[in-house]
Amino acid sequence: NAGVMQNPRHLVRRRGQEARLRCSPMKGHSHVYWYRQLPEEGLKFMVYLQKENIIDESGMPKERFSAEFPKEGPSILRIQQVVRGDSAAYFCASSPPTRTDTQYFGPGTRLTVL
Amino acid sequence: SQQGEEDPQALSIQEGENATMNCSYKTSINNLQWYRQNSGRGLVHLILIRSNEREKHSGRLRVTLDTSKKSSSLLITASRAADTASYFCATDAGGNNRLAFGKGNQVVVIP
Repeated sequence: NAGVMQNPRHLVRRRGQEARLRCSPMKGHSHVYWYRQLPEEGLKFMVYLQKENIIDESGMPKERFSAEFPKEGPSILRIQQVVRGDSAAYFCASSPPTRTDTQYFGPGTRLTVL
Repeated sequence: SQQGEEDPQALSIQEGENATMNCSYKTSINNLQWYRQNSGRGLVHLILIRSNEREKHSGRLRVTLDTSKKSSSLLITASRAADTASYFCATDAGGNNRLAFGKGNQVVVIP
């Protein structure tokens, strides 16, 4: 059973470009979470999704950030018009519907904005 | 407010010694979890302790939880060089399955 997969592992963008981060949850997991980690910091919650639904986006910046988890395919975290402050590691986690108290994390995508 | 604050922030020990790190939180929780993160990698789930539990063991790991003091400790016994990593506690205090992480403890085990 493959773990949570994220791609790309490293992403470099120039200011003003768009960044698309992908997350494939573990097989059988229908709950996906996105977190952001700034250097030397802990992870900060961004958004919680189930298939085709955003359950909690209280941690998402109001502008430029969006997330989706379609019926088919991976979850996508999209950052429009990136700025240097968006440089961080973005982690995706998933959990099964019957056991949401434990989240399994992917390896992360490290975004660098030049 | 930030949930989960580990103390101390950095720890350097000799291989074979025990490593202890603490975490405090501010609001009521259902459970508290500890994760390990190797440099530049993702998080690995270590152990979950529920609010009605006081102590839990997993291999060389021992976790305690004191809900009256809103604190938890992680003890790694007989440390190994491979234990070198950052260790984070996380609580479910955010609600809605949100995990609230502390800033982490960096542990360096010297061979």
